[in-house]
Amino acid sequence: QVQLQESGPGLVKPSETLSLTCTVSGYSISSGYYWGWIRQPPGKGLGWIANIYHSGTTYYNPSLKSRVTMSVDTSKNQFSLKLSSVTAADTAVYYCARVLLGVASDYMDVWGKGTTVSVSS
Amino acid sequence: SSELTQDPAVSVALGQTVRITCQGDSLRSYYASWYQQKPGQAPVLVIFGKNNRPSGIPDRFSGSSSGNAASLTITGAQAEDEADYYCNSRDSSGNLWVFGGGTTLTVL
Repeated sequence: QVQLQESGPGLVKPSETLSLTCTVSGYSISSGYYWGWIRQPPGKGLGWIANIYHSGTTYYNPSLKSRVTMSVDTSKNQFSLKLSSVTAADTAVYYCARVLLGVASDYMDVWGKGTTVSVSS
Repeated sequence: SSELTQDPAVSVALGQTVRITCQGDSLRSYYASWYQQKPGQAPVLVIFGKNNRPSGIPDRFSGSSSGNAASLTITGAQAEDEADYYCNSRDSSGNLWVFGGGTTLTVL
């Protein structure tokens, strides 16, 4: 059974860098699929952040691209998110997910439980 | 265009059929995927592709698409279907993914 688990600080100061890791169990990241980050501000909808393939190919949300970096560590079966220069607007529940990219059909079939990150001094 | 539009709220009587829609230009090129989210929980994939259900999703959930719109239909809605539903697709450039604003389904 594939499982994803987010980890990282629950509180980040404004202007600092948010760093999160997603640990994958039950499936090797190197075997395929893309891996993604999605966030949900309090009381709001879902927002896509970025996707990465184990080779390092990345797709970033243009609205965040200047602040976002995703990376993969196949030896630890983990992938990570870094979001720099955070503000209160980055306060959200952050989810990691497994992403299948098809010819005309993509989907996120396995999600982590989410981790809450608050940006506050 | 990189927007997917959903009605904010929909209600359905217990046991009746409800359709939740998602509109956007990218849906002319890409199928939508649909996610169910209950309060305090992570989203769950319920429909993907033309009309595919992951293992464990009841067959009362189905999907369809036409032109620039996609629909999620629940035939015989149950109390446990009360949740927020989000559609997702790539945008027309093929390089970014967009979620609809979400639809809150109330089962009366």
